[in-house]
Amino acid sequence: KAGVTQTPRYLIKTRGQQVTLSCSPISGHRSVSWYQQTPGQGLQFLFEYFSETQRNKGNFPGRFSGRQFSNSRSEMNVSTLELGDSALYLCASSLAKLAVPVANTGELFFGEGSRLTVL
Amino acid sequence: AQSVAQPEDQVNVAEGNPLTVKCTYSVSGNPYLFWYVQYPNRGLQFLLKYITGDNLVKGSYGFEAEFNKSQTSFHLKKPSALVSDSALYFCAVRDLGSGTYKYIFGTGTRLKVLA
Repeated sequence: KAGVTQTPRYLIKTRGQQVTLSCSPISGHRSVSWYQQTPGQGLQFLFEYFSETQRNKGNFPGRFSGRQFSNSRSEMNVSTLELGDSALYLCASSLAKLAVPVANTGELFFGEGSRLTVL
Repeated sequence: AQSVAQPEDQVNVAEGNPLTVKCTYSVSGNPYLFWYVQYPNRGLQFLLKYITGDNLVKGSYGFEAEFNKSQTSFHLKKPSALVSDSALYFCAVRDLGSGTYKYIFGTGTRLKVLA
């Protein structure tokens, strides 16, 4: 069974540009979440999607957005890039069979991440 | 507010010795607790979880963790460390009382096992 696939793995952008990152979850997984990892802040939650609906959102500015498609694939977009957006962006999927979060006890399966460098 | 604390940025242990990586949490309801490991330039990998039941849970690669409700802790342990265990370890909690159920991660503890 293929794991979580993130593309691109590495990218370099300049301030003011925008970027789109893609995530393909494990087949059958309907929940996809995104995290930003930086050395000083650890993992910061961005958002979570379930069946094309955003279910949770972290404390990030509106420049950060995401969406999920009917096949569960997800994209996140960062507009007007800032130097501080340089980070490893991790996508994770989980086997959330039910729409009720409390029933979802499964662990997260992470991709290898997209490393964004903003110059 | 919900939070997870990993009080040690780095833990050094000699190969063959027992290891402990500490985690404490603060949530408003019952927690689901998890440990993940991250090797260089890789995503996180699941090690083990506590949902309910026995306070001692066993996971991958010989790791185990003990849930202590009174101390709100979920420390990761292994009886005999290997050099290959050297990695970054994250504790995470899913707060069932918050209404959001989102995962909250600690800042990570770097484990270094010395040969």
